[in-house]
Amino acid sequence: KNQVEQSPQSLIILEGKNCTLQCNYTVSPFSNLRWYKQDTGRGPVSLTIMTFSENTKSNGRYTATLDADTKQSSLHITASQLSDSASYICVVSANNDMRFGAGTRLTVKP
Amino acid sequence: EAGVAQSPRYKIIEKRQSVAFWCNPISGHATLYWYQQILGQGPKLLIQFQNNGVVDDSQLPKDRFSAERLKGVDSTLKIQPAKLEDSAVYLCASSLVAGGTYNEQFFGPGTRLTVL
Repeated sequence: KNQVEQSPQSLIILEGKNCTLQCNYTVSPFSNLRWYKQDTGRGPVSLTIMTFSENTKSNGRYTATLDADTKQSSLHITASQLSDSASYICVVSANNDMRFGAGTRLTVKP
Repeated sequence: EAGVAQSPRYKIIEKRQSVAFWCNPISGHATLYWYQQILGQGPKLLIQFQNNGVVDDSQLPKDRFSAERLKGVDSTLKIQPAKLEDSAVYLCASSLVAGGTYNEQFFGPGTRLTVL
């Protein structure tokens, strides 16, 4: 069983709408949690990183939250743009070990 | 700053053939990673180098996969012989050092391998 579960698996929204992606993890001991954006045909690019003591982090229209007690994180995208169409991968680190989620495939339609 | 370079970008081979991928990390990055990403899944770590030494190769299928980083800079990943299930994107990433709270991995564009 994967230690990092993401939902939904895929999502289609209209341009300009908001959306929220979920990440639940069981990785322990927790070091940090990153959200990556992976455009088609490209490698993942880091959007945000949060440690145990941080419960929210923003990067432009992207806002990540972390609840270390329930081991849940979310990535909220505001006012979506066509260029937001990509896979979003949640990665949880325990010491030097990184665990990748399967990703959420987001499609933004005009 | 130049990013992580990988070549080739695409490769199509028949099963039982051999293939090699090349990666040049960001200058000064001591740690280099190879990942396998099967369609619809997250990346899976195959091997991690610290300079020219192997840190973790626990998930590398050593009967057919090999990797080297002889001079502690660029690296090659080889598959010999390839199987159908090896069809995937092979991602290379590098970081300044291994571990650390804010240590970020920078990924290359990947090599898409199709085994027929």
